Amino acid sequence: NAGVMQNPRHLVRRRGQEARLRCSPVKGHSHVYWYRQLPEEGLKFMVYLQKENIIDESGMPKERFSAEFPKEGPSILRIQQVVRGDSAAYFCASSQHPGQPQHFGDGTRLSIL
Amino acid sequence: EDQVTQSPEALRLQEGESSSLNCSYTVSGLRGLFWYRQDPGKGPEFLFTLYSAGEEKEKERLKATLTKKESFLHITAPKPEDSATYLCAVQAGRDDKIIFGKGTRLHILP
Repeated sequence: NAGVMQNPRHLVRRRGQEARLRCSPVKGHSHVYWYRQLPEEGLKFMVYLQKENIIDESGMPKERFSAEFPKEGPSILRIQQVVRGDSAAYFCASSQHPGQPQHFGDGTRLSIL
Repeated sequence: EDQVTQSPEALRLQEGESSSLNCSYTVSGLRGLFWYRQDPGKGPEFLFTLYSAGEEKEKERLKATLTKKESFLHITAPKPEDSATYLCAVQAGRDDKIIFGKGTRLHILP
């Protein structure tokens, strides 16, 4: 079984552009989580989605950031009008049920010029 | 406020030198505690889940234990390939939120 797949692995954007990060969960997992990681910092929760629904977005900035997990296709984390401070590694994780261990992808490293 | 604190931040050991990593937490309503290993440029790799005080889990040279306030990851006779950042995460509260510690960077010298 394939694990969590994230693409692209590296993404470079100029200030003001849009960044779109994709995540395909483990087959059979319907719970998806997005995290942001800065150097020397822990993983910070951003958003938790279940198919077609946002369950918890308390960790996501109110502006410019959005996430979706459609019925078909990968989960998408979208950052509009990117700024330098958005540079980070963004990780996606999935689980079969909310209480079970989350399995992570290898992340997307976003760099803003 | 719910918190997860890992210590030490970094640890250098000689190959074969056993030690322990600490994860202390203050949360209301612990649902589970998770240990992950993260290699540079990679995502966290799941190691263990612990659910209640007194529980222990083992895998190769690693053993995880849990009390009401902290968890330890014991590493016995480590090898250079055990070098990585070890992350602790706690799931707690009615919303099952998961909170990660900042990790311990472990370096095993040959």
